[in-house]
Amino acid sequence: GQNIDQPTEMTATEGAIVQINCTYQTSGFNGLFWYQQHAGEAPTFLSYNVLDGLEEKGRFSSFLSRSKGYSYLLLKELQMKDSASYLCAVLDAGNNRLAFGKGNQVVVIP
Amino acid sequence: DTEVTQTPKHLVMGMTNKKSLKCEQHMGHRAMYWYKQKAKKPPELMFVYSYEKLSINESVPSRFSPECPNSSLLNLHLHALQPEDSALYLCASSQGPARETQYFGPGTRLLVL
Repeated sequence: GQNIDQPTEMTATEGAIVQINCTYQTSGFNGLFWYQQHAGEAPTFLSYNVLDGLEEKGRFSSFLSRSKGYSYLLLKELQMKDSASYLCAVLDAGNNRLAFGKGNQVVVIP
Repeated sequence: DTEVTQTPKHLVMGMTNKKSLKCEQHMGHRAMYWYKQKAKKPPELMFVYSYEKLSINESVPSRFSPECPNSSLLNLHLHALQPEDSALYLCASSQGPARETQYFGPGTRLLVL
């Protein structure tokens, strides 16, 4: 089974940097995904990590440490449109199911 | 192109109605998924189709009946639903069933009265 933990909400100022953490425990690991979800809309794929280290994609970066069961998503130069829920999801190697964390609601203020 | 489309966008139905949700993708993906999402909760997996065959059913009640007519289409037939089934129903697809990024459609917001 999986146990995925994320903090629930954070507020940050436009232009700032915010780090969203995710810890997980799974019986098997086939990669970790980050999705962005605006209220009432579908989750949008942001990043995928399967090896340790940092993946950078524009203003968003994602880091993975498999030994620690830990990932973070870094959002730089925050914009108002970044206000959304950020979901961490782990692909379980044993059953190929994508298990989602509860999501972290980021509120960007001017 | 990573587009998954879903219809309808919104659906209101009574507990005795029969309706269907539709999902379509033209990315050549061979795995398709149905998720249910309640407000402020993460998506919950319902069904997985892999190469047009049902591979995972997460103990979903029989009032939800999935169907995969071909590799591009996925339906979810609804019958005798309960008010607690009201939720956002998301379809997703991926190239294959393992190690692959899942791309989500916009969802159907369902209200059962």
